[in-house]
Parts: sequence; C-alpha cells; structure tokens
Amino acid sequence: ETGVTQSPTHLIKTRGQQVTLRCSSQSGHNTVSWYQQALGQGPQFIFQYYREEENGRGNFPPRFSGLQFPNYSSELNVNALELDDSALYLCASSFQEQFDPYEQYFGPGTRLTVT
Amino acid sequence: GEDVEQSLFLSVREGDSSVINCTYTDSSSTYLYWYKQEPGAGLQLLTYIFSNMDMKQDQRLTVLLNKKDKHLSLRIADTQTGDSAIYFCAETEDTGFQKLVFGTGTRLLVSP
Repeated sequence: ETGVTQSPTHLIKTRGQQVTLRCSSQSGHNTVSWYQQALGQGPQFIFQYYREEENGRGNFPPRFSGLQFPNYSSELNVNALELDDSALYLCASSFQEQFDPYEQYFGPGTRLTVT
Repeated sequence: GEDVEQSLFLSVREGDSSVINCTYTDSSSTYLYWYKQEPGAGLQLLTYIFSNMDMKQDQRLTVLLNKKDKHLSLRIADTQTGDSAIYFCAETEDTGFQKLVFGTGTRLLVSP
C-alpha cells in the first residue's frame, strides 16, 4: 500500500505567477483535502474533494482552486500568487465513508516560496 | 467558532515525561486528535480519543480529555530524542463535510 505523495517538493515562484501542486492519494481513498501551513502555524483547511467534486471549502479566495481525477489524484492551483502564499501545502487523503474516527493521511508537503 | 490553542514550546530531558496541553472550542467534536510533524515532513497521526472517553493509553502515549473544560493533553512517557518534533492537536468540524481544525502546534525539544 503506497502512502500519500506530493510533487514537487520545493517550488519558487514570482508574485503574480500561477502554480500547480500535485498529490497522489493513498490507495483506496476517495477524498482529498488540501491545507496551507504558514511558517510557525498549524495547517489551515483550503478545500476538500470527494469523487471529483469540491465537497467543502475553507476561508480562501477563489484564486485557490483544485481538481480531483478519476484515479483520486489531485491538483491545487493558485493564480495571481501573493507573497503571503508562501507556505507548506499539504494534501491529505481519507476514505469519505469512514468518519469515526476521521483518519486523514498526510503527504510530505510542497514548500512554495513566492518572491 | 473554531479556535484550538496550544503552548508554543516545551523542553524536557531524555527519559522524563512530557505533557503537551491543548484547549479547543467545538464541543460537538466526536474525536480529538494528536498529530506529530518532524522537520521537513508532513503530519503523522499519533493517536485520537473519542469525546466520551476521559483517557486513552497507547504504549508511551496517554491522552487525557476534560470535556467540561475543553482541555486535551498528551503525555509522552520516557521521552526520547526522537520525539523532538512539533505536536498538533486537532478537532473535527462537521459542517456537512468533515475537516480538521488544528492548533498552532507545540515544539517539543528533548535534550540528552
């Protein structure tokens, strides 16, 4: 059973550019959630995808968007990058029908630096 | 509202016990969780406790829950240098879908 993988590991972008981050869910999981972790902070929920549809969203602007594919891999897209978007982006996969407990398995993250 | 608070830093000596504290606000959380994050890595689920329980023990880890005070703690017995990491408590918020709400994290430093 493979775990959650993310690519790339590190990324440097310039303000105003666009970025795509990728995540491959753990085998058998049908839900993916994305979190933003700023330096020294806890992860903040961005959004969640279930069966290729956005299932819920946190307090992030529309320039943060995502996709989930039939094989349950996922992308996070951020347009018009701002300096404050510099953070570690984590994806987490889970099996939607299992809520109690809600076990999410996290990838190692993508470190995005915006200059 | 959602607000999970933790103390920022804890330093202990190898072999001592560590106690990491957390307060949360959402009394409807069914489970409460502890995650560990090592440098440059993602989050690892350590343990969780059902909200109707007061205590859960899992090898060196003991979780205590005071639901009246909305206080959660994680005790690590016989702390090792490999336990040095950031520890996050998290609660679930169910608003039609489930998401985790994390605290700010407690950095645990274990010295030899």
